[in-house]
Amino acid sequence: DSGVTQTPKHLITATGQRVTLRCSPRSGDLSVYWYQQSLDQGLQFLIQYYNGEERAKGNILERFSAQQFPDLHSELNLSSLELGDSALYFCASSPPRQLNTEAFFGQGTRLTVV
Amino acid sequence: GNSVTQMEGPVTLSEEAFLTINCTYTATGYPSLFWYVQYPGEGLQLLLKATKADDKGSNKGFEATYRKETTSFHLEKGSVQVSDSAVYFCALSEGGYSTLTFGKGTMLLVSP
Repeated sequence: DSGVTQTPKHLITATGQRVTLRCSPRSGDLSVYWYQQSLDQGLQFLIQYYNGEERAKGNILERFSAQQFPDLHSELNLSSLELGDSALYFCASSPPRQLNTEAFFGQGTRLTVV
Repeated sequence: GNSVTQMEGPVTLSEEAFLTINCTYTATGYPSLFWYVQYPGEGLQLLLKATKADDKGSNKGFEATYRKETTSFHLEKGSVQVSDSAVYFCALSEGGYSTLTFGKGTMLLVSP
């Protein structure tokens, strides 16, 4: 158990809908990262938050947004969903004030868009 | 930009065989290098890491050495077990933010 909790584990929704994925980082970790894992694109970094502020942005679509709340949990919002958004979405967290340290991953949320 | 290239799988081995999974990287500076493992239906777990040139990361019988001259971080294990069957990802981070760039993953299948 990495200590990173993601909910829900599975999500099935229709095209055009909006969903919210939730992540609770490990106790004491200030950074939260979101990654998308799909068969064609592999594992791609989406976005990072550090202590409530956006820190880095990767290949995140404009239809997607995220935020980190004062209690450090994070939510990834996916809107106007398309079939191609079906993927496994991972959240990860890492300790504060450590450079290039490893990230600890949650079990992921499997999103299926039908 | 940064990139990681690892050998395509699946790699199919018999139990107790020697394992090598090749990984090379491209980075602008001095990255930290990682191997993550993903067992079926689970999230990614850190297997080992190395933060500077010539460092050797090791864990559970797996080893990888950070080779700056060849920009490589190949994963090795002397004797694989059926329980090692999983997908292995090579990754790097750079710039202090711990954002990871992953390779495409290599599936390892070990048969008894």
